[in-house]
Amino acid sequence: LAKTTQPISMDSYEGQEVNITCSHNNIATNDYITWYQQFPSQGPRFIIQGYKTKVTNEVASLFIPADRKSSTLSLPRVSLSDTAVYYCLSAGFNKFYFGSGTKLNVKP
Amino acid sequence: DTAVSQTPKYLVTQMGNDKSIKCEQNLGHDTMYWYKQDSKKFLKIMFSYNNKELIINETVPNRFSPKSPDKAHLNLHINSLELGDSAVYFCASSQEAGGHGFFGQGTRLTVV
Repeated sequence: LAKTTQPISMDSYEGQEVNITCSHNNIATNDYITWYQQFPSQGPRFIIQGYKTKVTNEVASLFIPADRKSSTLSLPRVSLSDTAVYYCLSAGFNKFYFGSGTKLNVKP
Repeated sequence: DTAVSQTPKYLVTQMGNDKSIKCEQNLGHDTMYWYKQDSKKFLKIMFSYNNKELIINETVPNRFSPKSPDKAHLNLHINSLELGDSAVYFCASSQEAGGHGFFGQGTRLTVV
């Protein structure tokens, strides 16, 4: 059973809200959930991190249910510049499980 | 004023050679990492150091050896390079293990 899974790709249009869900099958009690954004030829860039319930910052929201077996990254009103690959990660002190990345394509 | 910088950005070398990639962070973080991103864009952690001590050492060939001379540096040395080592290698740091990570720009290694 894959540890961390997410959809391979998603399409959206400018101005829409986009939700990307990740499954965290092997998440441990002390693990945090983090989402990163990556553009071509760049390193991943931190978007948001949470432990449970809901976290919101200036660019995104993160929803984590009580069982913490999944997380949903919500991007409000996406623009063309949000076209990128989005990675989820569950990580603790000495183990890291990255998802395989979701390629988000935002169309005009 | 780059937070996490790694050099070189590109590295082309022949099979069998030994090479090093350097990484430095100026964020004062306690934890540093090396990741490998393959051609399918899968990100895999290779090593993690916390306060200069190795805390993660995933299933990586012995030819890969990390070295942390101090908290701000984590270098990666690779012996006897193989074709399959071709990938982009990212260095990263965070204040605590598993925390909000800052990534470098990556080193694209091509073994020919």
